[in-house]
Amino acid sequence: AQKVTQAQTEISVVEKEDVTLDCVYETRDTTYYLFWYKQPPSGELVFLIRRNSFDEQNEISGRYSWNFQKSTSSFNFTITASQVVDSAVYFCALGTGGFKTIFGAGTRLFVKA
Amino acid sequence: ETGVTQTPRHLVMGMTNKKSLKCEQHLGHNAMYWYKQSAKKPLELMFVYSLEERVENNSVPSRFSPECPNSSHLFLHLHTLQPEDSALYLCASSLLAGDYNEQFFGPGTRLTVL
Repeated sequence: AQKVTQAQTEISVVEKEDVTLDCVYETRDTTYYLFWYKQPPSGELVFLIRRNSFDEQNEISGRYSWNFQKSTSSFNFTITASQVVDSAVYFCALGTGGFKTIFGAGTRLFVKA
Repeated sequence: ETGVTQTPRHLVMGMTNKKSLKCEQHLGHNAMYWYKQSAKKPLELMFVYSLEERVENNSVPSRFSPECPNSSHLFLHLHTLQPEDSALYLCASSLLAGDYNEQFFGPGTRLTVL
């Protein structure tokens, strides 16, 4: 079965704190892609990153970083020095070669000034 | 216009009304999607179109009827909806159909069924 679990429903931090959003996935496929999307209050999901199953290198983009570990089936997302504008719902997602991307339930992040 | 646009942004309708949601993508993509987002089920895929052909229908009730006249436009025709259909309806596009591709989303239509 294909599944994405985001166990953290809501996280609240104070500005400038670092925060990690967890994502655990399940698939029997050896080829797959993982994604993170951000959904701000305006509604549209914004694509953040795509990673394929053969590339376990961690990635950093500004204050964002991603830790992909196949051994634990996790693809965690860290925001360094969080800002109020980071407040949003963040979705982790899995694609295994069909047409239906599997999304997690999302983690709502509140960053307080 | 850039990206993916959706109209209307908000819609209130009675159960006997007929209305349509419109989506337009300005990205030159070949695939378009409809999603339903509600508090009970965060993101549910409804339909996928690839080059104007429907390639996925995720067990959606017939009161939702999609239409894709060309690769830039996608409609969702609504009729005799139920209150539980109240949700945010999101349109998305991707360069190619298939879940290996990142999707670009519109801002959604907030639908309320009375």
